[in-house]
Amino acid sequence: DAKTTQPNSMESNEEEPVHLPCNHSTISGTDYIHWYRQLPSQGPEYVIHGLTSNVNNRMASLAIAEDRKSSTLILHRATLRDAAVYYCILNSLVEYGNKLVFGSGTILRVKS
Amino acid sequence: AAGVIQSPRHLIKEKRETATLKCYPIPRHDTVYWYQQGPGQDPQFLISFYEKMQSDKGSIPDRFSAQQFSDYHSELNMSSLELGDSALYFCASSLGLRGDEQYFGPGTRLTVT
Repeated sequence: DAKTTQPNSMESNEEEPVHLPCNHSTISGTDYIHWYRQLPSQGPEYVIHGLTSNVNNRMASLAIAEDRKSSTLILHRATLRDAAVYYCILNSLVEYGNKLVFGSGTILRVKS
Repeated sequence: AAGVIQSPRHLIKEKRETATLKCYPIPRHDTVYWYQQGPGQDPQFLISFYEKMQSDKGSIPDRFSAQQFSDYHSELNMSSLELGDSALYFCASSLGLRGDEQYFGPGTRLTVT
C-alpha cells in the first residue's frame, strides 16, 4: 500500500481557513486520494476524494499537486466542530478490495 | 438520510466468551467492511464483503469470522475473547469496490474483562 505522510497536529482559529497537507510521493496513477476525519468518540467520516483535478464539496476542497505527489485538504472556515483527526488515504482504483489503510493522521485543534 | 447501523453499541464480555457484532449497511450498498480501533490507535482493516462474498482480508485473528447475508447485513463473530480484543469495532459500507467512499457506522465498543 502506498504511504502518506501528514503532520502530527495543527492548530487553527475559529472561522479561519485551514490547510491540511499530505505527502504521497509513491502514489501510482490509479490511486485516488481520499480524506476522512474522525471526531472524538465517533466513526470515521468521509470528507472528500479526488484523482487528478481539484475537487470541491459542501465540506471541503481538495487541492492536488500537478505531479500528484502531494495534496492539501482545505477547510474554508474552521469551526469548533471541525476539531478531529484527519486522515489522508490512498485508495486504489484497480486493486480489488477498496480497503482503507489508516495512517496516524493529523490532529486538528480549533481555538475559539 | 439512512446511515450504517451497528448493534449492539456497547458489549461487555468475559475472557474466553464469544461475541457477535451486527452491521446493517446503507440501503443499496453492496459492500461491507469491518475495522478495529484499539485504545489510542488508528482504525485497522479486518475484513470486507462484496455481494455476500469475502472481498479482502486484513489482520483479522483466526478466532474471528464474518459473513454477509442475502439482505447485505453482516455479522462479525468473535470467539475465545482475549483482553486485547477490547476495542471499538466499526462497520462501513459502500456502493461498489473500486475507489468508492465508505460510510461508517457509530461503532460497537467491546470490553473484555
